[in-house]
Amino acid sequence: TQLLEQSPQFLSIQEGENLTVYCNSSSVFSSLQWYRQEPGEGPVLLVTVVTGGEVKKLKRLTFQFGDARKDSSLHITAAQPGDTGLYLCAGETGNQGGKLIFGQGTELSVKP
Amino acid sequence: NAGVTQTPKFQVLKTGQSMTLQCAQDMNHEYMSWYRQDPGMGLRLIHYSVGAGITDQGEVPNGYNVSRSTTEDFPLRLLSAAPSQTSVYFCASSPDLRGSETQYFGPGTRLLVL
Repeated sequence: TQLLEQSPQFLSIQEGENLTVYCNSSSVFSSLQWYRQEPGEGPVLLVTVVTGGEVKKLKRLTFQFGDARKDSSLHITAAQPGDTGLYLCAGETGNQGGKLIFGQGTELSVKP
Repeated sequence: NAGVTQTPKFQVLKTGQSMTLQCAQDMNHEYMSWYRQDPGMGLRLIHYSVGAGITDQGEVPNGYNVSRSTTEDFPLRLLSAAPSQTSVYFCASSPDLRGSETQYFGPGTRLLVL
């Protein structure tokens, strides 16, 4: 069974602080995605990374794919209350016919 | 485009009852899937379809049936509801099978089985 471990599970910070969420596995992924989910809604794709070592930036969010394609991180700079939500990583192992394995999620709360 | 729509939004069932969760997409996507989301467990794949007439099992298929008679619709049937099926159910669609493609999720159906 392939597992994607996300940490931390819960994170409560003040507006303006920086944070990093981690997504780790013992499996190699051909691609990895980060989603954000707000209460009562479905997840929405933030980014897809496919190359080992790849770094992508989306405004104050920086996503990195590990060199060995087994892990990924999401760094948020100067967090804002609007960043509050559930962040999910999801990986494709290549031999799963495109099926995604999801991490447990990180519940982020940013207080004003 | 409405994207991915799901009905109902909420449902309460008694143990042993059956029901169908509806999912429709208007983006002409070939790939559709059903997930369940439980606290602390992320999303787990129940069933998926790579096109009309083709379905396959995901990680947690027991107790659920699917069919795909059209590209647009992908209903999920609970045959005999059990309390363990209390969850939030999400339908998703994608242009093709590759995991690197964007998956578009519906708003979810919250199901409580008593």
